[in-house]
Amino acid sequence: KNQVEQSPQSLIILEGKNCTLQCNYTVSPFSNLRWYKQDTGRGPVSLTIMTFSENTKSNGRYTATLDADTKQSSLHITASQLSDSASYICVVSAGRHGNNRLAFGKGNQVVVIP
Amino acid sequence: DAGVIQSPRHEVTEMGQEVTLRCKPISGHNSLFWYRQTMMRGLELLIYFNNNVPIDDSGMPEDRFSAKMPNASFSTLKIQPSEPRDSAVYFCASTYSTGTDTQYFGPGTRLTVL
Repeated sequence: KNQVEQSPQSLIILEGKNCTLQCNYTVSPFSNLRWYKQDTGRGPVSLTIMTFSENTKSNGRYTATLDADTKQSSLHITASQLSDSASYICVVSAGRHGNNRLAFGKGNQVVVIP
Repeated sequence: DAGVIQSPRHEVTEMGQEVTLRCKPISGHNSLFWYRQTMMRGLELLIYFNNNVPIDDSGMPEDRFSAKMPNASFSTLKIQPSEPRDSAVYFCASTYSTGTDTQYFGPGTRLTVL
């Protein structure tokens, strides 16, 4: 079983609407959680990084939340734009060093239509 | 800065051939990562280096894969002999060494093994 589960696997939303992507993890001990955006044919780009003590972090129209007790994170996209069409990948890091034992979600595929 | 540079961008080879992928990290970064991405398995960390030293190679699938970082500005990932199941996009990323620093990904090398 994957240690990082993302849902929904894919979704289609209208331009201008909001959406929320979910990431549930079982990784332990927790070090940090990252959300990446990956456009088709390109490398992932970091959106947010959150440690245990952080509940929310924003990057423009992207807002990530973290509940370390329930081991859940969400990524909220506000007022979606066509350029938000991409795969959003949740990555959880375990262990003392933040880059050790990374667990990757399969991604949320988002398509924004006009 | 030009960002992380990878070459080649595309590689098509026949089963059994040796494949060498190259990466130039962002100047000043001292951590370098090699990832593999497929539709089935998503993004996977293969190996990462800190100050040119391999720190965690537990993600390297088997002995056919090897990675080197002879200096701070260059790394290679070699597959010998290659197999069709190695077909994937291989990403290189770099960052400063602390666990929560943003990783910057290269554009990837799309490898097809026939």
